[in-house]
Parts: sequence; C-alpha cells; structure tokens
Amino acid sequence: KAGVTQTPRYLIKTRGQQVTLSCSPISGHRSVSWYQQTPGQGLQFLFEYFSETQRNKGNFPGRFSGRQFSNSRSEMNVSTLELGDSALYLCASSLPGLAGKDEQFFGPGTRLTVL
Amino acid sequence: DAKTTQPPSMDCAEGRAANLPCNHSTISGNEYVYWYRQIHSQGPQYIIHGLKNNETNEMASLIITEDRKSSTLILPHATLRDTAVYYCIVRVGDSNDYKLSFGAGTTVTVRA
Repeated sequence: KAGVTQTPRYLIKTRGQQVTLSCSPISGHRSVSWYQQTPGQGLQFLFEYFSETQRNKGNFPGRFSGRQFSNSRSEMNVSTLELGDSALYLCASSLPGLAGKDEQFFGPGTRLTVL
Repeated sequence: DAKTTQPPSMDCAEGRAANLPCNHSTISGNEYVYWYRQIHSQGPQYIIHGLKNNETNEMASLIITEDRKSSTLILPHATLRDTAVYYCIVRVGDSNDYKLSFGAGTTVTVRA
C-alpha cells in the first residue's frame, strides 16, 4: 500500500510570493493533517481536514490556508511568504476508527525555503 | 491536552534495551499516551499508544504506571537505525480530534 506522498519535496520561493503544497493520503484515509516543523518552534499543528471540511485549526495566521478534495487529497497554501515560513511542511493521514485506536501516517514533507 | 516532559537526550548501546521515560502528571482519564519517532529528515513515524494497560508491538513496549502519571517506552534491542527523536504525546482519544501536540522530544543516539 502506497504511503503518504507530498509534492514537491523541495521548493525555493522569495518573500511576498505564495506557494501551494500538495498531499496525497494513503488510499482510504479521509483525514489529512498539516504540520510545520522549524528548528526553533519544533513540530506545530496547522490544520486538519476531514471529508473536505476543516475540523481543527492551529494558531497560525490567515496566510496559511488549506483545502481538501473529494478524493481526500489536500493542498495547503501560504500567501505573502515571509522568511520565517521557511520550514519542513508535513502532511499526515489517518483512517478514522474507534476512539484512540488510530494513528497518523506522515509523509516525507516538503522543504520550503524562503529567500 | 496534557503536557508531557521528556529528557532532552539519551545514549544507548547497540543491542541493549533503551528505556525512554515520559512524565504526564496532568493526564486525564480519557487521554491516551502516544509515541512517535522522527529519524533525521523524515516524517514522524508512529510507534505505539496505550490508555491504561501495557502494550507491546513489533517495534516497542509501552509501560504505563498505575496512576498513569508517567510511562516508559522500551526498545528491546536498540539498533543504529533507532537513532531518532522520540516524542511522547498525550491526547484525547476522540476520533474527531487529530491534533498532535509535539514537544521537544528525546534525542536518542544508539552507539555501536
């Protein structure tokens, strides 16, 4: 079974630009979560989508947005990029099940560098 | 979600058991203990989780104290490939809440 895939793997942008990252979850998984990882702040939750609806959201500015399609694939968008947005962006998918009996499967991440 | 406390780093000899402690003294009755690890430059990998009872799978064992205020992840025979950052996470076992709050974790270095 294929794992979570993320594209692109590496990206370089300049300040002020916008970027779209893509995540394809494991087949059959309907929940997709996004995380940002930086050396200073560690792994931080951005948001989670289930059945095309955002269910949970972390403490990030409105420049960070996302969406999920009917096939569960998800995209996240960052507008007006800032230097501090340079990070590894991770996507995770889950197969909702009984309470507590679930795990999240992470993709390899997209390394975004903002110059 | 309850906060967790882990030592920042620990070393382990290859072939020996690695015991990784985690304190979660404010855990509530419906919160599960999860362990993930992240090998350098890869996405985190699920290891194991539990509520009250000890759990074991092909990767590790999870020992949860009776009062549930702390737990220990045991890697029975550490290998060099187990070198990673290990995260202990506590979260409500609600299938509608997939937010994982990662702390700083424990950097485990397995030495030959």
